[in-house]
Amino acid sequence: DAGITQSPRHKVTETGTPVTLRCHQTENHRYMYWYRQDPGHGLRLIHYSYGVKDTDKGEVSDGYSVSRSKTEDFLLTLESATSSQTSVYFCAISEVSSGGNEQFFGPGTRLTVL
Amino acid sequence: GNSVTQMEGPVTLSEEAFLTINCTYTATGYPSLFWYVQYPGEGLQLLLKATKADDKGSNKGFEATYRKETTSFHLEKGSVQVSDSAVYFCALMTSGGYNKLIFGAGTRLAVHP
Repeated sequence: DAGITQSPRHKVTETGTPVTLRCHQTENHRYMYWYRQDPGHGLRLIHYSYGVKDTDKGEVSDGYSVSRSKTEDFLLTLESATSSQTSVYFCAISEVSSGGNEQFFGPGTRLTVL
Repeated sequence: GNSVTQMEGPVTLSEEAFLTINCTYTATGYPSLFWYVQYPGEGLQLLLKATKADDKGSNKGFEATYRKETTSFHLEKGSVQVSDSAVYFCALMTSGGYNKLIFGAGTRLAVHP
């Protein structure tokens, strides 16, 4: 267990409303990531963070913003949700180590935008 | 650019059959390679990894060998069980890039008794 929680686990919202998803880690890892999972695409990186207040865009960042004000929390915001953002969202953490730099994933948030 | 290609699923096997899921990659430099598994309704779990050419990763009876000459990292298991039914993702991590992963599309495996 890598100590990663995501909230909420399920959410249904309407087009045009703002949505914030939270990722919380308990192990003080430096790197955090947000992915979305869609059929036929595997997981695609939305944004990532390499430290408090240090974030950058991933492959599919349009329509999303992130914030990291504390090491343990990484927030993903959809400013104005659209139906194309219906997906399962996963948070992940990673750390640089001599044994390899694998990522560990949270349980996911299923978001439906009507 | 960097990319990962996996064989399309679903793969349907009988219990105790031999499993191969093909994975090839395109990358600059010397990436690390991973297989993740996702059981129904859950997040991704690291199954195995290899960090340099000719390394073999293994876990829970699954194996994959990092083949630089063929840019491949095929997943194999000698005898699958019903409990192995899941979606399997191949992924690469390039060096010097904040540990970012690039995933294949995933391969669904269904094992029947």
